[in-house]
Amino acid sequence: DAGVTQSPTHLIKTRGQHVTLRCSPISGHKSVSWYQQVLGQGPQFIFQYYEKEERGRGNFPDRFSARQFPNYSSELNVNALLLGDSALYLCASTSTRAGGPLYEQYFGPGTRLTVT
Amino acid sequence: QKEVEQNSGPLSVPEGAIASLNCTYSDRGSQSFFWYRQYSGKSPELIMSIYSNGDKEDGRFTAQLNKASQYVSLLIRDSQPSDSATYLCAVRGYKYIFGTGTRLKVLA
Repeated sequence: DAGVTQSPTHLIKTRGQHVTLRCSPISGHKSVSWYQQVLGQGPQFIFQYYEKEERGRGNFPDRFSARQFPNYSSELNVNALLLGDSALYLCASTSTRAGGPLYEQYFGPGTRLTVT
Repeated sequence: QKEVEQNSGPLSVPEGAIASLNCTYSDRGSQSFFWYRQYSGKSPELIMSIYSNGDKEDGRFTAQLNKASQYVSLLIRDSQPSDSATYLCAVRGYKYIFGTGTRLKVLA
């Protein structure tokens, strides 16, 4: 089975621009979460979506938004980019199937965003 | 107090030794606990999950959970140079919270 996929792999943007990152979860997983990881830190929670509804939001400004589509793929949008938004953006797919290993999150390869 | 605390390291162990990685958490309502391995420049890879007090073994890895002490640990037996990476502890309450990770160096 394919794992979590993310696109693009790398991205360079200029301050003030907008960016859209994409994620496809593991087949059968209905929950997707987004994280930001800066060098030397653990992943910081941004959003969680389950069945196309937002189920959690981390401490990030309103410039960050996301959505989940009927096929469970997801987009993360960031407006008015700042230099501090430079980071590795990770998408995680979570199993919520009864009888299985609940809540195990599997990460995609990430999108490396550089804001200049 | 950080919600999930780990010693940043580096923790250096000789090849073949046991590496012991520790993590404490502050939310007593946390239900699920995870260990991830992250190689430099790569995304985190899930290696262990544990939900109940006690030990859980998987190959060379053993996760230990003590909810009363709010403490999770990961033991890596017969450490190999390929185990050199950053190990992230994650705790799930109403959301997942990650520690900053412990950098492990296994010396050949």
